[in-house]
Amino acid sequence: AQKVTQAQTEISVVEKEDVTLDCVYETRDTTYYLFWYKQPPSGELVFLIRRNSFDEQNEISGRYSWNFQKSTSSFNFTITASQVVDSAVYFCALSEANKLVFGAGTILRVKS
Amino acid sequence: DTAVSQTPKYLVTQMGNDKSIKCEQNLGHDTMYWYKQDSKKFLKIMFSYNNKELIINETVPNRFSPKSPDKAHLNLHINSLELGDSAVYFCASSQPALARTDTQYFGPGTRLTVL
Repeated sequence: AQKVTQAQTEISVVEKEDVTLDCVYETRDTTYYLFWYKQPPSGELVFLIRRNSFDEQNEISGRYSWNFQKSTSSFNFTITASQVVDSAVYFCALSEANKLVFGAGTILRVKS
Repeated sequence: DTAVSQTPKYLVTQMGNDKSIKCEQNLGHDTMYWYKQDSKKFLKIMFSYNNKELIINETVPNRFSPKSPDKAHLNLHINSLELGDSAVYFCASSQPALARTDTQYFGPGTRLTVL
């Protein structure tokens, strides 16, 4: 069975600090997709990124960057110069036969 | 334009009642889903429909019955509500078959409270 582990339950940082959210996954599939979603206090689930298993290039989007390492089965998410608006629950997920298997989520609190 | 919408946003009801949650997507996707988020924020798939056909049923009690009248709609009907059904229910859609993408886009969620 596929599994996604987000070992950090909660992280607190001060504004402008960099923060990395860890995600480790397990799968027997050779082709798979990994995702990050953000759930702000308002409750909706916002798609951030999708990465397929053949593309190990790191990706940067503004203050967000993602480090995908197949050798360690990790897909970590870094927020540079964090802001209060980044406070949310962040979920890592793995696709399996058209369903998403989610990690337990990491609560990120950014204090001003 | 709302991509995936759900109604109602909040639902408060008594144990034993029957209730429905509606979901609509205007993305032209073929596949729709229902996920349940429990009080600890854990998200788990319940059902998935592709072109109105059920393709995933994750050991959900029979009291939960999804209905897909067309590929843009996936409603969730719950009979004989129990306290443990209290959760946030998310609808999502994706287009995996056509574009080889598994990105699922989620609705705003429906917070169900069973008293």
